[in-house]
Amino acid sequence: DTAVSQTPKYLVTQMGNDKSIKCEQNLGHDTMYWYKQDSKKFLKIMFSYNNKELIINETVPNRFSPKSPDKAHLNLHINSLELGDSAVYFCASSQATVVSYTFGSGTRLTVV
Amino acid sequence: QKEVEQNSGPLSVPEGAIASLNCTYSDRGSQSFFWYRQYSGKSPELIMFIYSNGDKEDGRFTAQLNKASQYVSLLIRDSQPSDSATYLCAVKGSGAGSYQLTFGKGTKLSVIP
Repeated sequence: DTAVSQTPKYLVTQMGNDKSIKCEQNLGHDTMYWYKQDSKKFLKIMFSYNNKELIINETVPNRFSPKSPDKAHLNLHINSLELGDSAVYFCASSQATVVSYTFGSGTRLTVV
Repeated sequence: QKEVEQNSGPLSVPEGAIASLNCTYSDRGSQSFFWYRQYSGKSPELIMFIYSNGDKEDGRFTAQLNKASQYVSLLIRDSQPSDSATYLCAVKGSGAGSYQLTFGKGTKLSVIP
């Protein structure tokens, strides 16, 4: 019944590894997002997809690559992980013509 | 660069008092304004949104918007310890900006029993 689900919830990995975070929404929304929340709780947008099309790509290193196989899924793949990538990553979805986001529960990524 | 500014706090208020949270934004084209609450270790949850100048009330919460001053606030009446959380102000722009929410850094509220 979870509206926006992310997996995994926790991810601990070594520097240099490649990892993926998955996100799925069952709300029928047409827009999905990835946000990064740093240790100071600042939520910053990374990517936005509308109907599987990339709409927003903020200044994010090329090591981060989003993929949207369909409207209900938006995955995030990260190559060559660095210590500074440690953060909580939130997936969210919305209907473009409506206003508010529904957030997933977050993925806490720790790079050691 | 669109910016949303909030005092980081912490803001401490006694139980039963009114908590006042403030936010300013830089983009005059912004259309919609949101307040999210985030408990420690949890995801943000929407409390209220407001489009038009003036006040909007929902239970113990009142959002106030002044577009001329580029200012939005959230009042919490009869504050409860369960209101202790970080409150995030978010702004949605127009055009391409309507596809994203820009968040402030949040104000941490502590309600003292």
